[in-house]
Amino acid sequence: NAGVTQTPKFQVLKTGQSMTLQCAQDMNHNSMYWYRQDPGMGLRLIYYSASEGTTDKGEVPNGYNVSRLNKREFSLRLESAAPSQTSVYFCASSESRVGEQFFGPGTRLTVL
Amino acid sequence: QKEVEQNSGPLSVPEGAIASLNCTYSDRGSQSFFWYRQYSGKSPELIMSIYSNGDKEDGRFTAQLNKASQYVSLLIRDSQPSDSATYLCAVNSASGGSYIPTFGRGTSLIVHP
Repeated sequence: NAGVTQTPKFQVLKTGQSMTLQCAQDMNHNSMYWYRQDPGMGLRLIYYSASEGTTDKGEVPNGYNVSRLNKREFSLRLESAAPSQTSVYFCASSESRVGEQFFGPGTRLTVL
Repeated sequence: QKEVEQNSGPLSVPEGAIASLNCTYSDRGSQSFFWYRQYSGKSPELIMSIYSNGDKEDGRFTAQLNKASQYVSLLIRDSQPSDSATYLCAVNSASGGSYIPTFGRGTSLIVHP
C-alpha cells in the first residue's frame, strides 16, 4: 500500500517549457488535490477534484491545468513554465470532501 | 477569500513542557478542522482532526475547537525534541457546492532539551 505517489521528485525546467506532474493514490479516495508550497506562504490550493470526472479551480490556478484521468490518478500540467512557478508541489487525496488529506512526497520544481 | 491565521513563531518550549498552538479562521460555515505536522523537507502528515466543538484527545495531543469564537488549538503535552516541526492548521469550508481546504501558513515549534 504505497498511499499517494508523485513523479518526478525533482525537475528543472527552462522558461517556456512544459511538463506534467503525475499523482496516483491507491486508497480508493474520491477527492484529490494539488498544492504548491512556497517559503512563508503555506500550502496554496491550485486545483482539486472532488470526485472522478470533476475538477475545479483553487486559490492559485493561473498557469496550470489538471486532468483527473481516473479515480486513482490526477495530473498537473504546466503549459509554459515561468520562474514564478518555482515551488514544491504536493498532491493529496481524501476519502471525502470534508475528510483528512493524505499527502504525497512532493515534487521540487525549479524554473530557470 | 477564506482565511486561516496562525502565529508563524517560532514557538520555543523546553522538553517536557506543554506546547500550545493556535489558529483562527474567517468562515463561520467551516465544517472540519485539522492539524498537520511537517518536518523540514517532508510532506505534511495528519496529527489530529476535529469536527465538533470541544476537546479531542489522542495520546499526547489534544485538539480544541470553539466554533463560536472561530478558533482551533492544538496542545502537545510532554513535548519532545522530535516534536520540533512546523504545524499547519487546515479548515474545510463550503464553496459552490463543494468543500475547499484552506491552510494556515504554519507555526514553527522548537522543543529544546
